[in-house]
Amino acid sequence: AQSVSQHNHHVILSEAASLELGCNYSYGGTVNLFWYVQYPGQHLQLLLKYFSGDPLVKGIKGFEAEFIKSKFSFNLRKPSVQWSDTAEYFCAVENQGGKLIFGQGTELSVKP
Amino acid sequence: GAVVSQHPSRVICKSGTSVKIECRSLDFQATTMFWYRQFPKQSLMLMATSNEGSKATYEQGVEKDKFLINHASLTLSTLTVTSAHPEDSSFYICSPGSELGSSYNEQFFGPGTRLTVL
Repeated sequence: AQSVSQHNHHVILSEAASLELGCNYSYGGTVNLFWYVQYPGQHLQLLLKYFSGDPLVKGIKGFEAEFIKSKFSFNLRKPSVQWSDTAEYFCAVENQGGKLIFGQGTELSVKP
Repeated sequence: GAVVSQHPSRVICKSGTSVKIECRSLDFQATTMFWYRQFPKQSLMLMATSNEGSKATYEQGVEKDKFLINHASLTLSTLTVTSAHPEDSSFYICSPGSELGSSYNEQFFGPGTRLTVL
């Protein structure tokens, strides 16, 4: 069965620290990959996506993610986090049927 | 991106009643609508997929007679939770799929509806 695994359930960082959130998926076919963010009390917003091409994808608010096909990974990174980055982050894989499969989510808390 | 609205944003009902949740894609003609459920501190789980004018496809473990989905037009889909019970309390989120005529698929999400069943 297709699945998405996010390694970190809750990450706590101080402002200006670097961030890397892990995401691995299990699916043998062609996939589209996404990272979504859910700020407290708000709906899901797309951070970035990978469909094809350059495996290093840049998104909004200084986030980037790298698709490593051999590792089935799509880790999210940000060099320097801010307090406003406090949110829940979801990795998702879209299969060829167009369905999104989400990871469990990682709660990021940034201390000012 | 697309603007998606859901109504109501929050609903509290008694056990045994039915609740209808509306999802509208305001500037986007959605040929497909995805309905998700999110329990507290958990991820989104796809419940069903509907295509405009046809019956919804439900994920394994989701009761089609309990969660009635209607996708009557390209801009409106409804989810009705029939005979709701406390275990149905959750956050329900809709997501219109590909826009009519678009070349790639990107999902946008509604703000969600918080259902609490007493």
